[in-house]
Amino acid sequence: DAGVTQSPTHLIKTRGQQVTLRCSPKSGHDTVSWYQQALGQGPQFIFQYYEEEERQRGNFPDRFSGHQFPNYSSELNVNALLLGDSALYLCASSLVGRNEQFFGPGTRLTVL
Amino acid sequence: DAKTTQPPSMDCAEGRAANLPCNHSTISGNEYVYWYRQIHSQGPQYIIHGLKNNETNEMASLIITEDRKSSTLILPHATLRDTAVYYCIVRGSNSGGSNYKLTFGKGTLLTVNP
Repeated sequence: DAGVTQSPTHLIKTRGQQVTLRCSPKSGHDTVSWYQQALGQGPQFIFQYYEEEERQRGNFPDRFSGHQFPNYSSELNVNALLLGDSALYLCASSLVGRNEQFFGPGTRLTVL
Repeated sequence: DAKTTQPPSMDCAEGRAANLPCNHSTISGNEYVYWYRQIHSQGPQYIIHGLKNNETNEMASLIITEDRKSSTLILPHATLRDTAVYYCIVRGSNSGGSNYKLTFGKGTLLTVNP
């Protein structure tokens, strides 16, 4: 049973560029959440997708957007990258009505 | 979500029980206590959650005080691989509500020593 997978593992971009990160949820899960983790901090909630719609959003600007596909996989897009966007981006999947969220290994984004 | 307070760091000897405390004095009646851990450079791993009764699974035990204002995560026989940051999180139920996110603090860095 495959867990949550994310791609790519690492990514280097320059300021002003755009990036797309991808997530495949754990088998049987239908809900995907995205988190940003800066160095030395706990993960911060970006948004959650269910039934291809954004269900809840954290305190992140509109430069952060997402999408969920019919197969429940998801993308996180960040436009106009800033140096402060450098972080570990984590995807978590869950099943609607269940409390546990299962995290992927993350994508390490470095903005130069 | 109610705020949680955890010590920034703890040490434990290998093979001994690790008891990680968490204070959540403002918890409300429908909020659960969750524990996750994060081993260096990996994604957080779900450990256990509970509402008011003590819970046990293959990884750990969760003891919640009767007034629900604090809890303790117990790793019964800590190993070196249990060295990680442990996060205590309080969150409302996922069913029927709108409170879906997990709010992480800085957690407790547990170091298991040989």
